Amino acid sequence: DAGVTQSPTHLIKTRGQHVTLRCSPISGHKSVSWYQQVLGQGPQFIFQYYEKEERGRGNFPDRFSARQFPNYSSELNVNALLLGDSALYLCASSWDSPNTEAFFGQGTRLTVV
Amino acid sequence: GENVEQHPSTLSVQEGDSAVIKCTYSDSASNYFPWYKQELGKRPQLIIDIRSNVGEKKDQRIAVTLNKTAKHFSLHITETQPEDSAVYFCAASEGYQKVTFGTGTKLQVIP
Repeated sequence: DAGVTQSPTHLIKTRGQHVTLRCSPISGHKSVSWYQQVLGQGPQFIFQYYEKEERGRGNFPDRFSARQFPNYSSELNVNALLLGDSALYLCASSWDSPNTEAFFGQGTRLTVV
Repeated sequence: GENVEQHPSTLSVQEGDSAVIKCTYSDSASNYFPWYKQELGKRPQLIIDIRSNVGEKKDQRIAVTLNKTAKHFSLHITETQPEDSAVYFCAASEGYQKVTFGTGTKLQVIP
C-alpha cells in the first residue's frame, strides 16, 4: 500500500509566480491537511480538507488556496510568490479527521528566488 | 488561537539515559495531542498520541502524560538509543479547526 505521495519533490520559482503542489493520500483516507515548515521550525497548519470540504484554515494570506478532488487527492496553490514562501510544504492524510493518526508525505521543497 | 510551547529546544543525553520533553498549550478546547519524530531530511512520523480523556499512554520505551488542568503534556523516552536522535515535535488539536505544532526539540543521544 503506497503512503502519502507529493509532487513535485523540489521546485524553484521566481517571485510573483504561481505554484501548484499536489498530494495523493493513502488509499481510503478522506482527510488531507497541508502544512508549511520553515527550516528549523515546526510545521505550520495551512488547510484541512475532509470529504472535499474545507474544515480548517490556518493564519495564512489569501494567496494560499487549496482544494480536494473526488478521489481525495488535493492541490495547494500559492499565488504571487514571495521570498518568505520558501519552505518545505507537507501534506498529511488521515482516515477520518485530524484527530486520528496522520501520515505525512515526504514534502515539496519550494525555493522562491 | 492555540499556542504550543515546547522545551527544551535541544537535549543531549547519554545512551541508556531517559529523555523528557515538555509542552504546554493554551486552548482548553484542544483534545488530541500527537508527538512526531522528524529525522534530518525526512517526513515527520507519529510516534505516540494521547487524547484528552486519557492521562497517560505507554508504548514500549515511549510514554506520554497529559495534565489537562495545567495544560501540560510530556514525552518520556527511556533507555535512549542513538537511533532516537532526531527532532521531536509536540502538537495540539481541537479537531477540524487547527493543528498547532510546538517549535521542536533536537534530541542527541551520545553513544
